[in-house]
Amino acid sequence: EVQLLESGGDLVQPGGSLRLSCAASGFTFSSYAMSWVRQAPGKGLEWVSSISDGGGSTYSADSVKGRFTISRDNSKNTLYLQMNSLRAEDTAVYYCAKMPGGSLMGGNYFDSWGQGTLVTVSS
Amino acid sequence: QIVLTQSPSASASLGASVKLTCALSSGHSSYAIAWHQQQPEKGPRYLMTLYSDGRHSKGDGIPDRYSGSSSGAERYLTISSLQSEDEADYYCQTWGTGIWVFGGGTKLTVL
Repeated sequence: EVQLLESGGDLVQPGGSLRLSCAASGFTFSSYAMSWVRQAPGKGLEWVSSISDGGGSTYSADSVKGRFTISRDNSKNTLYLQMNSLRAEDTAVYYCAKMPGGSLMGGNYFDSWGQGTLVTVSS
Repeated sequence: QIVLTQSPSASASLGASVKLTCALSSGHSSYAIAWHQQQPEKGPRYLMTLYSDGRHSKGDGIPDRYSGSSSGAERYLTISSLQSEDEADYYCQTWGTGIWVFGGGTKLTVL
């Protein structure tokens, strides 16, 4: 059974930094692309960033480009999201999601989700 | 720019059927989409992938009560024999090169 467990969410001041982690189990982590998706309080889902199986290809939403960095450590079965220059509008639950293949090209939906970790940006 | 449009809300009675709609923006009518369910206070759950020709492939453990269909630029999710646990938000999602897009979601109320 696929399990994705996010951690690292916290209350942080505007301009601060935070690193989220997603521990994966139940599948061969190194064979699948992964993503981060967020949900602001009372709002819908918003794609944040994606990374290919080997980590060589990444994409990020314009809203976080230059501030957030997605990465992975396949030896630790863990996905990361480094968040810098945080803003109030980054306040959200951040979900880790698995994709059905290793590449970011084609067939790119999210076929398993974690339970999320809350990031609050406020002074 | 890919845009997915969903009605904000829908309702249907216990035991009845409901059909939710996701409309693809102009120029993107051939795109496949995925449907996701989010029950209150839970993470999303993948339901199925739906292609422009109406084929769909469901996620593990998704009941037969959930089905998908397509017509032109519209993609549908039909839930039959509604149960109380079907009350949730439903999101459609698609993708392009280096971009992933969600619809605004439909809040389904089971009466």
